[in-house]
Amino acid sequence: GEDVEQSLFLSVREGDSSVINCTYTDSSSTYLYWYKQEPGAGLQLLTYIFSNMDMKQDQRLTVLLNKKDKHLSLRIADTQTGDSAIYFCAQRGNQGGKLIFGQGTELSVKP
Amino acid sequence: SAVISQKPSRDICQRGTSLTIQCQVDSQVTMMFWYRQQPGQSLTLIATANQGSEATYESGFVIDKFPISRPNLTFSTLTVSNMSPEDSSIYLCSVDLEGASGEQFFGPGTRLTVL
Repeated sequence: GEDVEQSLFLSVREGDSSVINCTYTDSSSTYLYWYKQEPGAGLQLLTYIFSNMDMKQDQRLTVLLNKKDKHLSLRIADTQTGDSAIYFCAQRGNQGGKLIFGQGTELSVKP
Repeated sequence: SAVISQKPSRDICQRGTSLTIQCQVDSQVTMMFWYRQQPGQSLTLIATANQGSEATYESGFVIDKFPISRPNLTFSTLTVSNMSPEDSSIYLCSVDLEGASGEQFFGPGTRLTVL
């Protein structure tokens, strides 16, 4: 079945790079997404990658996709305290627009 | 991108009552979705609401409990019926932008507490 797994917590120091990892099971995924959720807020679409791409870079964010291993990662360069939030990985299959979400990774950035 | 608003932003309700949540988008979209986020949990799709057809519900969700309306291409409602404390969650609508961009945007959510 469809499943998306993430580690639950990550703690980094301000200025370091953060790497949040995600694995998924559905090989028919068309798009994979990273969303950010701050306390008490909705979901903000950070970035997404089409399944035929290996990498996507957008300012401080780099997404790497290893389709063979069904592994997705989000790297945040020069992590700031404002990056503290929960980050959700999500996959989209090839039927309809349903997204399957991981459990979310809580990123804590210490000054 | 799309600008999505939801009403109410939060509510506290008594068990046995119903609440209707509204979702408004600033552009016409075919596909709208309703998700639930239980406390401390991830998001689960409740149903897909396409204009002009009945909503399609995911396993574990039924129309009698979560009736959905989609009267036009910019608006949808989700009703949480006969509420119990287990329905306390954040309810979020999302939309697919038209075309092949793949982007899916979420509303700010409705935080529901059932006493």
